Amino acid sequence: QKEVEQDPGPLSVPEGAIVSLNCTYSNSAFQYFMWYRQYSRKGPELLMYTYSSGNKEDGRFTAQVDKSSKYISLFIRDSQPSDSATYLCASKETSGSRLTFGEGTQLTVNP
Amino acid sequence: IAGITQAPTSQILAAGRRMTLRCTQDMRHNAMYWYRQDLGLGLRLIHYSNTAGTTGKGEVPDGYSVSRANTDDFPLTLASAVPSQTSVYFCASSDTFVWAGAVTDTQYFGPGTRLTVL
Repeated sequence: QKEVEQDPGPLSVPEGAIVSLNCTYSNSAFQYFMWYRQYSRKGPELLMYTYSSGNKEDGRFTAQVDKSSKYISLFIRDSQPSDSATYLCASKETSGSRLTFGEGTQLTVNP
Repeated sequence: IAGITQAPTSQILAAGRRMTLRCTQDMRHNAMYWYRQDLGLGLRLIHYSNTAGTTGKGEVPDGYSVSRANTDDFPLTLASAVPSQTSVYFCASSDTFVWAGAVTDTQYFGPGTRLTVL
């Protein structure tokens, strides 16, 4: 079993829709949770960073962590065609430990 | 500021050949990483280096070697390439910062090298 599971999609939504991207993890020691965005033929770039449980909002993006259910979510409001990319969740135990990535979910926002 | 550069952008290689993928960062980050990204498997760590002069094995190190002679460069070598090493390779470096009272880090990725081994 992978430590971080993510539905690869693909997910296709109309412009303006609310998008929900999700991951589950199995390692109870994970404390840091990240979302990376990866455009086609580019390297991943950090989108959101959270520590422990709770929500973090940044513009149209909200990251949510529920440690009790080991569930990580990314919500995108008013989705735009420019949001079309692969979104990868990632987790790690401590500040110096290695990142474990999910497989990534491919999202297409149609104009 | 370029960030992280990787070379070559893409390469087709015959099986059995030796190949070095280059990675250079200009952010003076201490830690650097090599990942491979494959469909259905996501990003997997090959090797890492916490600081110049040190290296460590990641999740899938077999068939790969690295060196870290200085802060900026972190080359990845395939001594004798095999078709299963066909992949997209990403180099990353990490910067530390304080978050929720603890020192943590975030990784910055290069643009990747697409390698095909025939």
